[in-house]
Amino acid sequence: GAVVSQHPSWVICKSGTSVKIECRSLDFQATTMFWYRQFPKQSLMLMATSNEGSKATYEQGVEKDKFLINHASLTLSTLTVTSAHPEDSSFYICSARAGPRTGGSNYGYTFGSGTRLTVV
Amino acid sequence: GENVEQHPSTLSVQEGDSAVIKCTYSDSASNYFPWYKQELGKRPQLIIDIRSNVGEKKDQRIAVTLNKTAKHFSLHITETQPEDSAVYFCAASRSSGDKLTFGTGTRLAVRP
Repeated sequence: GAVVSQHPSWVICKSGTSVKIECRSLDFQATTMFWYRQFPKQSLMLMATSNEGSKATYEQGVEKDKFLINHASLTLSTLTVTSAHPEDSSFYICSARAGPRTGGSNYGYTFGSGTRLTVV
Repeated sequence: GENVEQHPSTLSVQEGDSAVIKCTYSDSASNYFPWYKQELGKRPQLIIDIRSNVGEKKDQRIAVTLNKTAKHFSLHITETQPEDSAVYFCAASRSSGDKLTFGTGTRLAVRP
């Protein structure tokens, strides 16, 4: 089945530094990647949607200059949290969608394993 | 945009009993409704989904019902087992593959 590999699974960083999170689709081409953030005991909140080769679309209230998304290829999308602060500590998870004729079994969603970010 | 409400937020049942979780949505254009199970620190796992052209779908102990007129859908788990304990999320989108809007989640505890 479709697999999305997300790295790192957890990271601790100092306040003010940047952290990059990668999501790779291993056996299909992800035309669209959704990035979610999940605070403890809360739901998944969509941060942005990225389509391969174009700029990401951010949800209302999400700072595009702080959360940089790159989707330069059909198998790799990255989220960079710039100048991280303790309030950015959260569980970040990607979800890939395969497009037609790109190897996906259906139009469904394949989630990465998530990244637990702790900013100290 | 879409708004999905989910109830209850917590649910405790005795092993073997049934559990029901309900969701309502606001966007009448939504037509894809998946349910996910998430264990602590793990990715959401799709357990069942339903599309708007179907009123009910069943997979062994799990069933989902959809009422498009009322804009609500429900998850039914029968013969619950301790391993069913987790957080369950409903979600909605305009099509399978469009962005998902998640409900607030239900923490299910199955008592042995």
